[in-house]
Amino acid sequence: AQSVTQLGSHVSVSEGALVLLRCNYSSSVPPYLFWYVQYPNQGLQLLLKYTSAATLVKGINGFEAEFKKSETSFHLTKPSAHMSDAAEYFCAVSDVGGTSYGKLTFGQGTILTVHP
Amino acid sequence: GAGVSQSPSNKVTEKGKDVELRCDPISGHTALYWYRQRLGQGLEFLIYFQGNSAPDKSGLPSDRFSAERTGESVSTLTIQRTQQEDSAVYLCASSLAAGSSPLHFGNGTRLTVT
Repeated sequence: AQSVTQLGSHVSVSEGALVLLRCNYSSSVPPYLFWYVQYPNQGLQLLLKYTSAATLVKGINGFEAEFKKSETSFHLTKPSAHMSDAAEYFCAVSDVGGTSYGKLTFGQGTILTVHP
Repeated sequence: GAGVSQSPSNKVTEKGKDVELRCDPISGHTALYWYRQRLGQGLEFLIYFQGNSAPDKSGLPSDRFSAERTGESVSTLTIQRTQQEDSAVYLCASSLAAGSSPLHFGNGTRLTVT
């Protein structure tokens, strides 16, 4: 079964600073990888996904993530944080084989705080 | 179009009672997932349906939890003899197909067991 680890349950940045949210997965084969965002009092929505095409994936709101097989990582970045980026971010991995194909496992989440 | 709909949005129940939570997925979505989100915690996988295949029940925490899905439509999650530790937001999501298709989440059912 897949697992995913998000390093840092809370990340705080200043407005305009780089955002870096870390995600590492465990898998013997490259899985499908996703980042979801949950804004306060809203449901989860997809930010971006990796499905074995380009390793650098661009998502909504200026976010992007790079799949690095050698590091089993899929870190989320944004060059310049905006106040509206304050939310909880979840990394998720999808099983790509076996009886659990399609099962999506989420990390514990990282709460991003943006200071003026 | 309509998104994933969950009902009720809030449910308060007494310890020991049974509850039933409902999820209406997006039409045409073959995969349906249930997750639990406790306060301050991540999403805990409960169960996953994909088409006519046997559901993956590996995340159900005890035999008090069960879920059904009729074809590719409505799903119900039932919790029998509720306990206080069952208090959480229960999230349902559907996707066009399992694997690379993104999940579309409902707004969840907030369950409080008193």
